[in-house]
Amino acid sequence: NAGVTQTPKFQVLKTGQSMTLQCAQDMNHEYMSWYRQDPGMGLRLIHYSVGAGITDQGEVPNGYNVSRSTTEDFPLRLLSAAPSQTSVYFCASSTGSSGNTIYFGEGSWLTVV
Amino acid sequence: GENVEQHPSTLSVQEGDSAVIKCTYSDSASNYFPWYKQELGKRPQLIIDIRSNVGEKKDQRIAVTLNKTAKHFSLHITETQPEDSAVYFCAASIKHTDKLIFGTGTRLQVFP
Repeated sequence: NAGVTQTPKFQVLKTGQSMTLQCAQDMNHEYMSWYRQDPGMGLRLIHYSVGAGITDQGEVPNGYNVSRSTTEDFPLRLLSAAPSQTSVYFCASSTGSSGNTIYFGEGSWLTVV
Repeated sequence: GENVEQHPSTLSVQEGDSAVIKCTYSDSASNYFPWYKQELGKRPQLIIDIRSNVGEKKDQRIAVTLNKTAKHFSLHITETQPEDSAVYFCAASIKHTDKLIFGTGTRLQVFP
């Protein structure tokens, strides 16, 4: 049971490039989400999904796309990277019933130059 | 929109002293309030949580209190140790979902 697995751990992009952050969980969790963490700003919700085929926007969705074709996977796509997207990204999952523990992946450090 | 405010942003204590971190939330429908500890370069780890039908919860040296009327909740760490040094985040659920709104974090330093 690996929990929540994110790849890559580190990435440097040039402005305008696109990339996908991968997230997978093996706990059969219905709820998955992506957060970004910036200094002094805590974690902010980008997108989330309550099950396969269902996604919705969080607090800061602009510049990011997601899809949920399977229960296990929830990739985050940056369509045209900007320096403002330099951040640490965390994927998270939970069973989907309100009040259940949310488990975080190890994080992906992204730098856009 | 929903908001969680967290204070203080930094907290320095002597080993053995107590530490208190306070949060307020705006969404009266929030019903789940977790606290996460994050060490440098690591993922946030849940240390304790409380649900809206409970006023206080303890786990060894850690306790959380909730005042739903005032929309306040607090983390209390007693007998602090150097390994308690980390950034602590409070969070509140958005209505009755698993979506969380996080506070901006408190950097706790425990000096030997």
